[in-house]
Amino acid sequence: GAVVSQHPSWVICKSGTSVKIECRSLDFQATTMFWYRQFPKQSLMLMATSNEGSKATYEQGVEKDKFLINHASLTLSTLTVTSAHPEDSSFYICSASGPMGLAGGQETQYFGPGTRLLVL
Amino acid sequence: GQQVMQIPQYQHVQEGEDFTTYCNSSTTLSNIQWYKQRPGGHPVFLIQLVKSGEVKKQKRLTFQFGEAKKNSSLHITATQTTDVGTYFCAGDWGGYQKVTFGTGTKLQVIP
Repeated sequence: GAVVSQHPSWVICKSGTSVKIECRSLDFQATTMFWYRQFPKQSLMLMATSNEGSKATYEQGVEKDKFLINHASLTLSTLTVTSAHPEDSSFYICSASGPMGLAGGQETQYFGPGTRLLVL
Repeated sequence: GQQVMQIPQYQHVQEGEDFTTYCNSSTTLSNIQWYKQRPGGHPVFLIQLVKSGEVKKQKRLTFQFGEAKKNSSLHITATQTTDVGTYFCAGDWGGYQKVTFGTGTKLQVIP
């Protein structure tokens, strides 16, 4: 099946530093990757959608200068949280969707294991 | 933006009892997906429903998509402790691969 990896799995950083999170599709080419944030006991909230080779599309209320997304190849997308603050502490999850037919004829999102970010 | 309402928010059941979670959209969906997230884990894709009135089964799980493609349900028969987790529906109204997640239903199974 489709496997998506995410690195690191958890990170603790000081306020003001930047943190980069990698999302990789291991056994398929991801035409689109998504970045979500999930606060405790809440639903997944889409932050942005990225397509390989083009600029990411950010959801309303998500600062593109703070959450930098780079989708350099069909298997790798990165999210950089710049100048992190304690309120950025959250669970960040990426997902990737591949070519048609990967899940019975319809594109499906496959999620990475997530990255827990704690900003002190 | 588009929203998907999901109920109930929490459900505690005795092991062996059935469980159902419901999702509703005010507008017609292109398709709906269901995910399960174990405590401390990440969402895992369960199934996607596309056709009006579609019913799909996975062992003890039954997924339904309404005739109007505005609502969906997930029913678990004879719950087991391994069913514990949060079940999310995710609605897709078309456009390019963008889905909106419901608020999730957290299932607790009491042994």
